[in-house]
Amino acid sequence: GDSVTQMEGPVTLSEEAFLTINCTYTATGYPSLFWYVQYPGEGLQLLLKATKADDKGSNKGFEATYRKETTSFHLEKGSVQVSDSAVYFCALNAGGTSYGKLTFGQGTILTVHP
Amino acid sequence: NAGVTQTPKFQVLKTGQSMTLQCAQDMNHNSMYWYRQDPGMGLRLIYYSASEGTTDKGEVPNGYNVSRLNKREFSLRLESAAPSQTSVYFCASSEDRGRAETQYFGPGTRLLVL
Repeated sequence: GDSVTQMEGPVTLSEEAFLTINCTYTATGYPSLFWYVQYPGEGLQLLLKATKADDKGSNKGFEATYRKETTSFHLEKGSVQVSDSAVYFCALNAGGTSYGKLTFGQGTILTVHP
Repeated sequence: NAGVTQTPKFQVLKTGQSMTLQCAQDMNHNSMYWYRQDPGMGLRLIYYSASEGTTDKGEVPNGYNVSRLNKREFSLRLESAAPSQTSVYFCASSEDRGRAETQYFGPGTRLLVL
């Protein structure tokens, strides 16, 4: 079946540090890939997405590139801020008979210190 | 636009009690979803509704029932709560169920079953 694996957390960084959160996936067909972010006490919101191989999603300084050859969609940001502290989820939607279902990774907690 | 709203925010139940979690969206979306979030496991799909009048099971439907009351509202019912149903429940909606669709999440309901 479809699955998403994220790097183990939590991740703790100082402000302005470089961020990478690794995400790899297993899916049949050609999934779309997503990063969702959950701020404390809130629901999930879309951070960025990519729908085909080599697409780059970007938003709020975050980027991720859909790499079909390595089945990866790693999240990066060049300079993190305290306000980026949140839980980050990688997810895929395999389409077809998966009826719009999102398959999530386990989430990575990011804490950014001043 | 309020987006996706959920009630209640927090609930404590005793084993065997029943309750209904309410969800409504004001974005005129066709598809709606119920997920549960457990530590270290990401989100898992309980039930979904591809369109008004239809519902179907997701990954973890046992112990739950749903009703798509109209296009706006999608409720989740626990008939006889069990401690294993202690979780955070999220409702989500999307315009349709294609593989590139963005899902929009509510703020969640935290449920504790004693």
